Amino acid sequence: KQEVTQIPAALSVPEGENLVLNCSFTDSAIYNLQWFRQDPGKGLTSLLLIQSSQREQTSGRLNASLDKSSGRSTLYIAASQPGDSATYLCAVLDHNQGGKLIFGQGTELSVKP
Amino acid sequence: GAGVSQSPSNKVTEKGKDVELRCDPISGHTALYWYRQSLGQGLEFLIYFQGNSAPDKSGLPSDRFSAERTGGSVSTLTIQRTQQEDSAVYLCASSLAIGQETQYFGPGTRLLVL
Repeated sequence: KQEVTQIPAALSVPEGENLVLNCSFTDSAIYNLQWFRQDPGKGLTSLLLIQSSQREQTSGRLNASLDKSSGRSTLYIAASQPGDSATYLCAVLDHNQGGKLIFGQGTELSVKP
Repeated sequence: GAGVSQSPSNKVTEKGKDVELRCDPISGHTALYWYRQSLGQGLEFLIYFQGNSAPDKSGLPSDRFSAERTGGSVSTLTIQRTQQEDSAVYLCASSLAIGQETQYFGPGTRLLVL
């Protein structure tokens, strides 16, 4: 059974810092991995999707990497801003689960001005 | 263009009542998903549709939960005889197809069962 874990559960950094959020999964047979952002009381916003054949994806100040063999992904945020404060969720779509995403518990990020 | 929409945005109901939650996917998206987000449980999958059929209902917590999709578009999630443990945010998502496609989420319906 696929399990997704995110570390740390919460992170507080001063504005301008570069930071890394970690995601690990137990079964490497995945189709893709997605990173989402969730603001309090809101739905999920898709940030990046990495297909199983890819190693990384970039969007603006965000870079996500995928090491399928070791079951790990990282989300790198450069030059963090207070507007980046949110909960970040990773989710995997694995070969045995059809269309459903399996989510980690999230990392709650706070960027202080 | 329009994203995934859900209604109502908030619902307060009494224990034992039935509720219906609605999801309008992005136009042209054939796949539709329901998830539930509750404190302490994180985000859990409930059911997904490919067109009007639901190949995987394994995530529905009990037989009080059902969902349907008609015309390959709108979906409704029905919870019968609601219990307090059903209180959660119910999120709907859609994608172009099942598989290696980005899932786009709606804002959710916040359900509170008193």
